[in-house]
Amino acid sequence: EVQLVESGGGLVQPGGSLRLSCAASGFTLSSYWMNWVRQAPGKGLEWVSNIKGDGSEENYVDSVKGRFTISRDSAKNSLYLQMNGLRAEDTAMYYCASPYYWGQGILVTVSS
Amino acid sequence: QAVVTQEPSLTVSPGGTVTLTCGSSTGAVTSGHYPYWFQQKPGQAPRTLILDTSNKHSWTPARFSGSLLGGKAALTLLGALPEDEAEYYCLLSYGGPRVFGGGTKLTVL
Repeated sequence: EVQLVESGGGLVQPGGSLRLSCAASGFTLSSYWMNWVRQAPGKGLEWVSNIKGDGSEENYVDSVKGRFTISRDSAKNSLYLQMNGLRAEDTAMYYCASPYYWGQGILVTVSS
Repeated sequence: QAVVTQEPSLTVSPGGTVTLTCGSSTGAVTSGHYPYWFQQKPGQAPRTLILDTSNKHSWTPARFSGSLLGGKAALTLLGALPEDEAEYYCLLSYGGPRVFGGGTKLTVL
């Protein structure tokens, strides 16, 4: 069974950091472009970042450039999102997504 | 970055046909944008319906189809069912970066 399971979310103060993880099972994560997508409460989906299967290319939405870093670990079949300099507007459900499958999401709340 | 536009809301009668569209601020949507379509129901994670313009996932009902239509990506639902009521999002590729449309709330009524 294919699964993507996110972890690492929670409540953080503005300016703080979090590292999201996404553990994949049932398929090899490095075979695909992998994405982080977020959804603020009551809002639509926003693409945040992606990484090519071989790790040779990364892309980010303008609003997170210089603050977020995507990475993956082939040995652990996992995807990560290091989030620094968090702002209130980063508050959202964060999803890990392959072209075919999505995780259930993890909530990140940035508030003092 | 580009802006991707979708109809904010559409209504279809049970058994009816509806087409949702996805346009790009940069010009015509082509197969090179690798259009994706996702369905999201309240309280659930999105799920992939259509990949690369018209390819279906194993769980995509046959009543859904994807295409290019009039310079836009299109998702057509033929024979709507009550369970198709949901938010639908398209996603376009601009080289490496991706951009979602604002979503279409589809009501089956």
